[in-house]
Amino acid sequence: AQSVTQLDSQVPVFEEAPVELRCNYSSSVSVYLFWYVQYPNQGLQLLLKYLSGSTLVKGINGFEAEFNKSQTSFHLRKPSVHISDTAEYFCAVTINQAGTALIFGKGTTLSVSS
Amino acid sequence: GAVVSQHPSWVICKSGTSVKIECRSLDFQATTMFWYRQFPKQSLMLMATSNEGSKATYEQGVEKDKFLINHASLTLSTLTVTSAHPEDSSFYICSARDQTLQFFGPGTRLTVL
Repeated sequence: AQSVTQLDSQVPVFEEAPVELRCNYSSSVSVYLFWYVQYPNQGLQLLLKYLSGSTLVKGINGFEAEFNKSQTSFHLRKPSVHISDTAEYFCAVTINQAGTALIFGKGTTLSVSS
Repeated sequence: GAVVSQHPSWVICKSGTSVKIECRSLDFQATTMFWYRQFPKQSLMLMATSNEGSKATYEQGVEKDKFLINHASLTLSTLTVTSAHPEDSSFYICSARDQTLQFFGPGTRLTVL
């Protein structure tokens, strides 16, 4: 079975500072990895995904993530955050098998202040 | 990307009543759909996997008699919360998978009084 661990439950940063949200996964087979964002009282929005190929993945809103197989990590980064980036961020993992669900980490609350 | 809809978006009911939530894949056929539950300030927990034309597979700890799932067609899955109680109040999110990706509905907020 797959699992994912988000290492930080809360990350407070100042506006225009860089940020990294950490995610580690566990799986005995190849994985697909995802980052989602959830704003208060809303559903999930896909930020970016890694399926195969280049290990550096660029997503929406200036976010990017790097797949590191040796460290089983998929950390999310943004060079300069905005107040509007304040939200809950979820890392998720699945495998290339029909009918297999995404498994989510516990989430990281990103709080951006001025 | 593909679109998944949920109805209703929010519902308030009295304790003891049953509530049905619909999940539809609007522009693709989904052999498999998933139901998640999210409590306030917590992550999404997979409740069950719904396969078209067969019984749903429930995760450990999820009461199958309380959370009835029906996947009658390739575009529709329903979750019925039977005899709802206040502890069932939560955000329920459905998801449909195509070949590779899962697409999520906007969620249904259930409040049981």
